[in-house]
Order: sequence, then C-alpha cells, then structure tokens
Amino acid sequence: QSALTQPASVSGSPGQSITISCSETSSDVGGYKYVSWYQQHPGKAPKLIILDVSNRPSGVSNRFSGSKSGSTASLTISGLQADDEADYYCSSYTITRTHVFGTGTKVTVL
Amino acid sequence: QVQLVQSGAEVKKPGASVKVSCKASGYTFTNYYIHWVRQAPGQGLEWMGEINPSGGSTTYAQKFQGRVTMTRDTSTSTVYMELSSLRSEDTAMYFCARDRLPNGDYYFYYWGQGTLVTVSS
Repeated sequence: QSALTQPASVSGSPGQSITISCSETSSDVGGYKYVSWYQQHPGKAPKLIILDVSNRPSGVSNRFSGSKSGSTASLTISGLQADDEADYYCSSYTITRTHVFGTGTKVTVL
Repeated sequence: QVQLVQSGAEVKKPGASVKVSCKASGYTFTNYYIHWVRQAPGQGLEWMGEINPSGGSTTYAQKFQGRVTMTRDTSTSTVYMELSSLRSEDTAMYFCARDRLPNGDYYFYYWGQGTLVTVSS
C-alpha cells in the first residue's frame, strides 16, 4: 500500500487546466520536502517533470507546475495538449531514506 | 550522452532467481546512485532499492528485504539486480534509473529501457 494517494484518473479538454493531487497517508513521508512528479507514456520509461515540489528540470514545459499545501502536493497542467495524455506519478523521499511512488493518475485529453 | 542499457527479457519459473543488468555510459559511473523501479502490467511504479556504485552500499525497500540483491562491477560500469524466490506477482517491467545529481539525490533523471521479467510455470 502506497504512502502517497492519487486520483485514478483526471480528464480535460485541450487548452484547459487540470490538477492532480498527491496526498500523504503515512508519517514516513516526513513533511514532504523532496516531492517529484513523473510523466509516463504507454510503453515508455518515466520522465521527471517536477522536482523539489515545484521546480522544473531543464527542457520541461512551463505548462507543468507543482505546489504543496499541508499534506497534499499537486501537479497542474495548463493549456492541456494531446501529448499530455499519459500516466503521472508523484514520488517522495522518506524519513527512512527510501523512496515511494504515488498510486498513479491516468490523464485523458477529451 | 548518458545511457543506461538493460539486459533482455527473461522468463523464469516460480521459485527461481533472475539477475538483470544495467550498463551505464556517458558519465563517471561511481559518482551517481542507481535505483531499481518495477512496474507490474497495468500497475504503478514501485521503488525497489538503490546502490551507490562508489562503495557498493545498498538500501532496499522493506518489501524486498531478503529477496533482492544489488551489486555493481566498476570495471564494466554495470549494476545488477538479482531477485530470488520469484512468484507470479514478480512479473513486471524492471527499470534502472540514475540520480540527477552526483553523490546522492532524490530524483530519478535518466532511465534504462526496461527489462520484462515474466514468472510462469
């Protein structure tokens, strides 16, 4: 059972904004300082799109943004595009010096 | 350019062991941790553990303690993940991934192409 809970699916129309939540369900996550988000297209390896809660690695579109409030981190995709249709996973480093992934969210572009 | 190239697909019987390799190139091998992440068919990502190629120290997820062993060969810049006592639930794609920054980081930036391990009698 993951310590990070995400909605199973989120959908939106092209051009719209959507937000995916990632809720801490275990104290092992320890305050959620090192939160990241990964995008995974079918049959592909995941791609890092957000690190340190809200920072984007070089080359990642500024349509992706991250935030955190209390025990919930969020990923917002603005100006939704067809290529954003993928699975998204949050991840966190834990106080036991391990890593944990969220349950994953399938994003559908209508 | 950084590359992680994994070994090919494996088919194993229940109770057997599997050893998957991940050959690194394009950077100083001993400077970056390597992680193993698996994904069962249609399921989410699961972190299995990490190895520091510099000294060989490892950290494993509690779920895999006693069943997984991660090693490295610095002469060939290769990391290995061996999983024993295989059961059908271990059928999954296994990925290796490298830290973004040297000497320990919190993020998986470069990924291998994945190795499909099928456990079936």
